[in-house]
Amino acid sequence: RKEVEQDPGPFNVPEGATVAFNCTYSNSASQSFFWYRQDCRKEPKLLMSVYSSGNEDGRFTAQLNRASQYISLLIRDSKLSDSATYLCVVNPTGFQKLVFGTGTRLLVSP
Amino acid sequence: DTGVSQNPRHKITKRGQNVTFRCDPISEHNRLYWYRQTLGQGPEFLTYFQNEAQLEKSRLLSDRFSAERPKGSFSTLEIQRTEQGDSAMYLCASSFDNEQFFGPGTRLTVL
Repeated sequence: RKEVEQDPGPFNVPEGATVAFNCTYSNSASQSFFWYRQDCRKEPKLLMSVYSSGNEDGRFTAQLNRASQYISLLIRDSKLSDSATYLCVVNPTGFQKLVFGTGTRLLVSP
Repeated sequence: DTGVSQNPRHKITKRGQNVTFRCDPISEHNRLYWYRQTLGQGPEFLTYFQNEAQLEKSRLLSDRFSAERPKGSFSTLEIQRTEQGDSAMYLCASSFDNEQFFGPGTRLTVL
């Protein structure tokens, strides 16, 4: 079983739609959790950290369920510029390596 | 530009040749990481430095791979006797806390 699992997509949505991505992780002792965004042929960039209490940044909401080992990302009012690959990322041990999912590709169309 | 920089951005080499990549982290970051990414996959961890000490190496890092960070600043990743399976994007990241910032990567093509 992979340490971090995501649906690879692609998710094709129209502008203005709400879309949700899910991710599961296998290491119950994992310490921190993130969503990174990666544009085609570019480096990953941090979108947001994910906390047990849930957190929101504008149109983006991230949630963590430690009991189910499940992480989610909700994007409201999708923009064309949201088209990218969204990587679910787990830091199992603190300050060391990040473990990435395969990414979920989002395509927002006019 | 005060971000993570990597050189070269692209490298094409023939199987069996040695290649070396360089990463310059954000100046105040004491942690430096190397990852490898192939098409359709997320980045995979290779190795991690805190200052000049290499603290963790993935089993992906075969004996053909070696990484150094001699003065705790820039780092190099060398691949000896390259194989076609080494073709990938090699990403460097640096951090001060638990947020890692990635460089643009070096894309390696082994012919």
